[in-house]
Amino acid sequence: EIVLTQSPGTLSLSPGERATLSCRASQSISSSDLAWYRQKPGQAPRLLIYGTSGRATGIPDRFSGIGSGTDFTLTISRLEPEDFAVYYCQQYGSSPPITFGQGTRLEIK
Amino acid sequence: QVQLVQSGAEVKKPGASVKVSCKTSGYTFSNFAVHWVRQAPGQRLEWMGWINAGNGITKYSQRFQDRVTITRDTSASTAYMEMSSLRSEDTAVYYCARDPLGGSVYFDSWGQGTLVTVSS
Repeated sequence: EIVLTQSPGTLSLSPGERATLSCRASQSISSSDLAWYRQKPGQAPRLLIYGTSGRATGIPDRFSGIGSGTDFTLTISRLEPEDFAVYYCQQYGSSPPITFGQGTRLEIK
Repeated sequence: QVQLVQSGAEVKKPGASVKVSCKTSGYTFSNFAVHWVRQAPGQRLEWMGWINAGNGITKYSQRFQDRVTITRDTSASTAYMEMSSLRSEDTAVYYCARDPLGGSVYFDSWGQGTLVTVSS
């Protein structure tokens, strides 16, 4: 099973600042198989990034993704109030074919 | 617009079964897959299985393959997830999610979630 480990567990920042979230895989995965989601309290996750760097429909360009192999990063260039939520990375690969990271909580400082 | 609307919250006793529905609209149901993902309180998202809505082929996580059955009704554009032999650890929010079948797997639309509570 590919384990995804996200860091940091909690990130405290202010609106307007830049956020950098990390996702590390226990073994190499294809860059086409890594996605990021944002989950606000009481809501379902929302797709932000697919294929490591592709922005989903309606996602603003302040969200960007990069990475390869085992290390992937989501960057939010200028935090808006709605960005304070929990972020998950997800991979598609070996059995079980789909796993998620444990999440990074982005909170207002 | 694309919508996935799930059935309402359920309370079940240990050992019982539950069936959650996911009614879709706004797209051609048979051109996509529907996955089921659950989230226990304070836990990470956990993938359970999927169904190709076009050909009905299913695949399950080994963790759930003995207790979960995913089906679909193409005439109703609806997918279903049934879980048997429920235990308290199955208390969670269950989500259906759409997969564009674009080569890799990711979820571009989600249902609102169904809370399943297992308690004696």
